[in-house]
Amino acid sequence: EVQLLESGGDLVQPGGSLRLSCAASGFIYSSYAMSWVRQAPGKGLEWVSSISGSGVTTYYADSVKGRYTISRDNSKNTLYLQMNSLRAEDTAVYYCANYPSSGAAFDMWGHGTMVTVSS
Amino acid sequence: SYVLTQPPSVSVAPGKTARVTCGGNNIGTKSVHWYQQKPGQAPVVVIYYDSDRPSGIPERFSDSNSGNTATLTVSRVEAGDETDYYCQVWDTSSDHHVVFGGGTKLTVL
Repeated sequence: EVQLLESGGDLVQPGGSLRLSCAASGFIYSSYAMSWVRQAPGKGLEWVSSISGSGVTTYYADSVKGRYTISRDNSKNTLYLQMNSLRAEDTAVYYCANYPSSGAAFDMWGHGTMVTVSS
Repeated sequence: SYVLTQPPSVSVAPGKTARVTCGGNNIGTKSVHWYQQKPGQAPVVVIYYDSDRPSGIPERFSDSNSGNTATLTVSRVEAGDETDYYCQVWDTSSDHHVVFGGGTKLTVL
């Protein structure tokens, strides 16, 4: 069974940092690109970042570029999102999702982890 | 950047046909994916590459895409279809960016 399990969400002060993790199982992890998608409370879905299967290529939404870093450890089947200089508007549920190639749909999603940025 | 526009809400009586639109510049030239998201749950893809359905998704869900509008059609609507729906494309004009529509709440009357 394909599973994606996020962790690391927390309450953090503005300007702070947080690292999210997404543990994958049930599929050949290195064969899939991965993404983070977030959803602010009561709002729609917003793509945040993507990384290729090898981890060599990364992409970011303009709203997080320069503050967030996506990475993956294929030996541990784990995806990461390092979030720095957090702002109130970064408050959201963060989902990880996999996709087989650029242009494809997000096949599987995790259950999400909540990040709250507030003083 | 590429923008997808969805109506905030669509209402339909049980057993009737619901149509959820997704507008974008020349969206007919792009592959559109559709997701269903129930409250408190992660999104689930219901249509991918404009017309394919994952296993377990009823044939009642279909899509059309032409010109500047893609449309998710839900036939013989059931109470369990009442939830949020999002369209999504890849914006090839910018660097690998993924674009979601704002979402549509489907209400079954």
